Amino acid sequence: EAGVAQSPRYKIIEKRQSVAFWCNPISGHATLYWYQQILGQGPKLLIQFQNNGVVDDSQLPKDRFSAERLKGVDSTLKIQPAKLEDSAVYLCASSLGSSWRTDTQYFGPGTRLTVL
Amino acid sequence: AQSVTQLDSQVPVFEEAPVELRCNYSSSVSVYLFWYVQYPNQGLQLLLKYLSGSTLVKGINGFEAEFNKSQTSFHLRKPSVHISDTAEYFCAGQAAGNKLTFGGGTRVLVKP
Repeated sequence: EAGVAQSPRYKIIEKRQSVAFWCNPISGHATLYWYQQILGQGPKLLIQFQNNGVVDDSQLPKDRFSAERLKGVDSTLKIQPAKLEDSAVYLCASSLGSSWRTDTQYFGPGTRLTVL
Repeated sequence: AQSVTQLDSQVPVFEEAPVELRCNYSSSVSVYLFWYVQYPNQGLQLLLKYLSGSTLVKGINGFEAEFNKSQTSFHLRKPSVHISDTAEYFCAGQAAGNKLTFGGGTRVLVKP
């Protein structure tokens, strides 16, 4: 079974530039998550999709971050414009459903973003 | 609000020695607890989870954890570590219907 795919693996940009990350979840997984992991910290949930609808985006900085999952499969996360404090690893995860009791989240390898 | 605290940021340990990684949580409602491992340049992988029932939970790769409600702890243990256990370990908690909240991580370095 193929895992969660993410690209690019690494990205270096200058502040105020734009950047986009792509995630392809495990086939058949309805729920997709984007996390931000700042160096030395645990992952923090940015947004959760159930199919192509947003379930939770309470911690997404909506003035500069946006995410979409148009067909309920792949997802993109965009930052525009980037700030120095956005330097982090962006993790995508997926799960079969949205049951917090039984559905394990499977994580991709992440995209490491460096903002100069 | 729920929070998860990992008391050690780094734990050096010799190969074949036991290791314990400490995790404490705070929550005013029922909580579900998880341990994830992150190998270098890889995503997080679930080691084990506690939802209910037996307080001793066994996971993959010989790891186990014990849920202690009175001490609000969920410490992870392995009786004998291998070089391949070098990784970062994250404790996470989830209150009913809410998002996963992760601790800050514990970096385990296994020395030969």
